[in-house]
Amino acid sequence: DAGVIQSPRHEVTEMGQEVTLRCKPISGHNSLFWYRQTMMRGLELLIYFNNNVPIDDSGMPEDRFSAKMPNASFSTLKIQPSEPRDSAVYFCASSIASNTGELFFGEGSRLTVL
Amino acid sequence: SQQGEEDPQALSIQEGENATMNCSYKTSINNLQWYRQNSGRGLVHLILIRSNEREKHSGRLRVTLDTSKKSSSLLITASRAADTASYFCATRSGGSYIPTFGRGTSLIVHP
Repeated sequence: DAGVIQSPRHEVTEMGQEVTLRCKPISGHNSLFWYRQTMMRGLELLIYFNNNVPIDDSGMPEDRFSAKMPNASFSTLKIQPSEPRDSAVYFCASSIASNTGELFFGEGSRLTVL
Repeated sequence: SQQGEEDPQALSIQEGENATMNCSYKTSINNLQWYRQNSGRGLVHLILIRSNEREKHSGRLRVTLDTSKKSSSLLITASRAADTASYFCATRSGGSYIPTFGRGTSLIVHP
């Protein structure tokens, strides 16, 4: 079975451009997480969806960030306009919603904003 | 803010030695999980220990949990060069489905 699929794996863009990151969770998983990883701040939760509904978006840095999950098999994280401080690795993870469920991570999207 | 914090931040050992990493957390938890991240890759789940468990084994991995001290340790026995990676603990509290990750321990195993 395919794991969590993220695209693109690498993105280099210029400040002010729009960035869209994509995620396909594992089929049958009803929870989806977007995390951001940097050396300075470690792994931070951005947003958590359950059954396609955003449950906790308190980690979304500001209005420049938005996330959608139009169906159970697809989610996007959009940054508009992008800034150099958004440079990070963005991970998508999925799981079966439970208080013991392990998270399955994608390989990440490395974003560099010049 | 991180719930769990790993210690040490970095660990360098020789192949065949044991590696011990620790995780401390602040609030009561339902369970604690350990993940591994190879360079440039996503995190991979290793083992979960529930709050009512004290020790758990999986292959060369041994995890302990001391809820009175709010700490956990991950022991990798007879380490191999392939164990070189970062190791993270993640905790879940209350009824939350959201795991909170520490900053990780970077382990280097020299062949």
